[in-house]
Amino acid sequence: QVQLVQSGADVKKPGASVKVSCKASGYTFTGYYVHWVRQAPGQGLEWMGWINPNNGGTKYAQKFQGRVALTRDTSISTAYMELSGLRSDDTAVYYCTRGEVVTGLDYWGQGTLVTVSS
Amino acid sequence: EIGMTQSPGTLSLSPGERATLSCRASQSVSTTYLAWYQQKPGQAPRLLIYGASSRATGIPDRFSGSGSGTDFTLTISRLEPEDFAVYYCQQYGSSPLTFGGGTKVEIK
Repeated sequence: QVQLVQSGADVKKPGASVKVSCKASGYTFTGYYVHWVRQAPGQGLEWMGWINPNNGGTKYAQKFQGRVALTRDTSISTAYMELSGLRSDDTAVYYCTRGEVVTGLDYWGQGTLVTVSS
Repeated sequence: EIGMTQSPGTLSLSPGERATLSCRASQSVSTTYLAWYQQKPGQAPRLLIYGASSRATGIPDRFSGSGSGTDFTLTISRLEPEDFAVYYCQQYGSSPLTFGGGTKVEIK
């Protein structure tokens, strides 16, 4: 069965960086894009970008350009999201999700809470 | 960027009732690329509907999607206790992918 398992919660100080991992299993990792979506406390869903695990190609939401980096390690079927220059309003649950051209975001990780606090 | 607006913000209904949720896009969205997700507290979103009207794997047939162009609808024919949650529409045909603000379906 398809699973996306994310790294655990993290607490960071303003200005720091955070790197969240997302380990995929149950399907061919290089066959599907991995998207990242975040959700601030009590708020809606916000798309951050995607990575094509096959060739490492990326696309980022303009809001996060220059602050986010999506990478992957195909040898361990894992995608990563690194966000730098953290601010208090980056406090959110970060989700990785498998993207399929026809069905959209069909499988989701359990989410990783990142708290930014001094 | 395609803006997605959902209404109402909150829907108060009783189990067994019909729920009708609306989603309006700021510009035309291909029906191929319109999805609905359900999210319960403390859980990740779950894909319900893709391609505007196709149910995802394992989704009961009381959930149905319809619409085209800029206006889309999610209908839950008879609410079960487990259906009380927040629902999001999303377009995934053009970048950036965008979500509506959500409709909370709560128990009346």
